[in-house]
Amino acid sequence: KQEVTQIPAALSVPEGENLVLNCSFTDSAIYNLQWFRQDPGKGLTSLLLIQSSQREQTSGRLNASLDKSSGRSTLYIAASQPGDSATYLCAVRHGDYKLSFGAGTTVTVRA
Amino acid sequence: SAVISQKPSRDICQRGTSLTIQCQVDSQVTMMFWYRQQPGQSLTLIATANQGSEATYESGFVIDKFPISRPNLTFSTLTVSNMSPEDSSIYLCSVFGFTGENTEAFFGQGTRLTVV
Repeated sequence: KQEVTQIPAALSVPEGENLVLNCSFTDSAIYNLQWFRQDPGKGLTSLLLIQSSQREQTSGRLNASLDKSSGRSTLYIAASQPGDSATYLCAVRHGDYKLSFGAGTTVTVRA
Repeated sequence: SAVISQKPSRDICQRGTSLTIQCQVDSQVTMMFWYRQQPGQSLTLIATANQGSEATYESGFVIDKFPISRPNLTFSTLTVSNMSPEDSSIYLCSVFGFTGENTEAFFGQGTRLTVV
């Protein structure tokens, strides 16, 4: 059974600092990995998707890396802003379309 | 991509009653997925809904408690039956959509359920 772990569980940084969020998974036989953002009490917004054959993906201030062999992904958010405050979830997808989620990292960016 | 509309966005219900959550997608999809997110926890898959066949439930979830309908390729409902306070959660609908060469997961805004 796939186990997905996200460290740290919570993170508080001053505005402008770079954020580093970690995601690890136990079964490297994944189809892809997706990073989501969730605001309190809301649904999920997709941020980045990395295919299993890729090493990284970038979108604006966001960069996600994937090391499938070691079962790790890292989400970098550059020059954080108060609007980046949210919970960030990583999810790994298997060939059967099922997603396994981590518990998330709750980020607070202080103005 | 896919745009998902979920109703209601939130509800407060009495224990012992049932609530039906609706999920509407802006395109035809083969599979629709229902997730539960209990307070402070991550998402757990409840079931996969395929049009024209019975939903497939994950371990720990049963049809009597969470009946699902899938009348067409753009719509599904999840009913939470005989509710107890332990059912207080966010329930989310999800589908896969194409973005360029990739298929990625899209989620509705969720239904925040509180059982009192």
